[in-house]
Amino acid sequence: KAGVTQTPRYLIKTRGQQVTLSCSPISGHRSVSWYQQTPGQGLQFLFEYFSETQRNKGNFPGRFSGRQFSNSRSEMNVSTLELGDSALYLCASSQLGVSSGANVLTFGAGSRLTVL
Amino acid sequence: AQKITQTQPGMFVQEKEAVTLDCTYDTSDPSYGLFWYKQPSSGEMIFLIYQGSYDQQNATEGRYSLNFQKARKSANLVISASQLGDSAMYFCAMREFRGGSYIPTFGRGTSLIVHP
Repeated sequence: KAGVTQTPRYLIKTRGQQVTLSCSPISGHRSVSWYQQTPGQGLQFLFEYFSETQRNKGNFPGRFSGRQFSNSRSEMNVSTLELGDSALYLCASSQLGVSSGANVLTFGAGSRLTVL
Repeated sequence: AQKITQTQPGMFVQEKEAVTLDCTYDTSDPSYGLFWYKQPSSGEMIFLIYQGSYDQQNATEGRYSLNFQKARKSANLVISASQLGDSAMYFCAMREFRGGSYIPTFGRGTSLIVHP
């Protein structure tokens, strides 16, 4: 079956702009979670959406937001971009969600954002 | 405080040899799950193996096994018979309950290079 699809794969923005990233999960998966990966901070959890509701949230400012549609596809938005937002943004889908102990995440290839 | 510690930034191993990647964790939650993921240069995180805190036996998945020492709070990944395709970043991860949310927490990763 098809894996997790993230678009766009690469993008360049300037400070102050906003960006929207998209994630299509594996068919049947209701949970989509988002992560930011940088050389300085490593891989950090942003938030999770499950059946269109935000269920878990990491420690990121309100400029980072997301939503999930009825077909489980998810988008994340970053407003007022800062240089430090340059990162690889990964999304992952799962059947049970991050709250489940044995939950296995299936990741997409990521969207690499560069902020100039 | 760092919850997942991977002390080896880089590891080198000869093809066909075994290698152990270290991971220690810190949690006060009696029920937790530990995961290992592989990230090739393409960026996509790939699930390797899972160990639940109540599992009596060490997890194994093909050439991957997890050396789980609960009292020492360590969950080392053992890769037997290394292959060139094993060259990648390896991340140890744990689900923790923090700030009212379940948050997957990742270590900083270990870069593994397999030499022919």
